[in-house]
Amino acid sequence: AQKVTQAQTEISVVEKEDVTLDCVYETRDTTYYLFWYKQPPSGELVFLIRRNSFDEQNEISGRYSWNFQKSTSSFNFTITASQVVDSAVYFCALSEKNAGNMLTFGGGTRLMVKP
Amino acid sequence: NAGVMQNPRHLVRRRGQEARLRCSPMKGHSHVYWYRQLPEEGLKFMVYLQKENIIDESGMPKERFSAEFPKEGPSILRIQQVVRGDSAAYFCASSPQRGTGNYGYTFGSGTRLTVV
Repeated sequence: AQKVTQAQTEISVVEKEDVTLDCVYETRDTTYYLFWYKQPPSGELVFLIRRNSFDEQNEISGRYSWNFQKSTSSFNFTITASQVVDSAVYFCALSEKNAGNMLTFGGGTRLMVKP
Repeated sequence: NAGVMQNPRHLVRRRGQEARLRCSPMKGHSHVYWYRQLPEEGLKFMVYLQKENIIDESGMPKERFSAEFPKEGPSILRIQQVVRGDSAAYFCASSPQRGTGNYGYTFGSGTRLTVV
């Protein structure tokens, strides 16, 4: 069975601080995909990144970076120099190839960036 | 190219009424997924449909909930005799092929159902 755990339910930082959101997953499949989504106060879901299980390269996109470590089953997300607009709920999700069509989401981490 | 369109954006129903939520997938997408987000929780998978077929409804409550994706028109999630516990955000996603593969999902903006 697949499972995603985001242990941090809420994080509060001051603008310009760096912040890391943790994500730990469980799966029996050898082929799987990991995702991060952002849900701003307006409520929509914004896709941030997708990673497949064979690609452990870390990725950087502007102020966002992701650290995928299969050895610890983690896919952590770091925001550098946070901004107030980063305030949102962030969800990590997992999809197994054999489950094909289903995303399993973590419970989300609410990030509050204060000016 | 319009994204996944969901309507209505907000829906208020009294207990016992029916709620109908609509989802038009992205152009060229024939796979639709429905997820539910209860207050302060993550999203939970409900059902996966292709045109005219339900492929996986393992996350759908056994009673009062149904989904369809007809040959023509949007996918519909129907909740009969709504109760307060049905209050949630319902998200629809679409993909051009089975699974999250190379595309992942494109989510709509959601329908927020409030049962009073």
